[in-house]
Amino acid sequence: EDQVTQSPEALRLQEGESSSLNCSYTVSGLRGLFWYRQDPGKGPEFLFTLYSAGEEKEKERLKATLTKKESFLHITAPKPEDSATYLCAVRSGTDSWGKLQFGAGTQVVVTP
Amino acid sequence: GAGVSQSPSNKVTEKGKDVELRCDPISGHTALYWYRQRLGQGLEFLIYFQGNSAPDKSGLPSDRFSAERTGESVSTLTIQRTQQEDSAVYLCASSLGQPNQPQHFGDGTRLSIL
Repeated sequence: EDQVTQSPEALRLQEGESSSLNCSYTVSGLRGLFWYRQDPGKGPEFLFTLYSAGEEKEKERLKATLTKKESFLHITAPKPEDSATYLCAVRSGTDSWGKLQFGAGTQVVVTP
Repeated sequence: GAGVSQSPSNKVTEKGKDVELRCDPISGHTALYWYRQRLGQGLEFLIYFQGNSAPDKSGLPSDRFSAERTGESVSTLTIQRTQQEDSAVYLCASSLGQPNQPQHFGDGTRLSIL
């Protein structure tokens, strides 16, 4: 059975304190891993798509990496505006291409 | 430009009533998706429309849930005989029609069943 697990559930960081979020997955034929950011009361905002092991994507202070079993979202020198819930989602090879399976998210709080 | 628009933003209703939620996708987006997000949880796929193809309804939790889409525009998600466990945020997303295109989300409808 396909599964997406994110850890930790919550993360509290001081401004400038770098850290990493984990998304481990078990899917039949990965056809894309997606990272989203969600602010309270808002819909998820797309960050990255990764397709194959070894791939990396960067945007400002965020960097996403992918292996055959997991993905990491690295936050470098975070600022308070990076506070949000970060969601990971996968597209399985056995599902229609429109169906994403989401993890429960990691809630990140960055304090000044 | 305009993003995905959902209405109403909040809906409170009594158990047993029917509710209809609306989604206006980004213009030109042929694919449209509905998800449910329970408090503190990730998104749960409900249904996906792509152009004139038959929708993927594999995520609908029961026959009380249904969705329609008119062409490549507005979609409505209908929940009949609502139950308390239907309380959640219902999110709609749209995308261009190719598999590598990201899904863009609206801010959702927060549904509360009393």
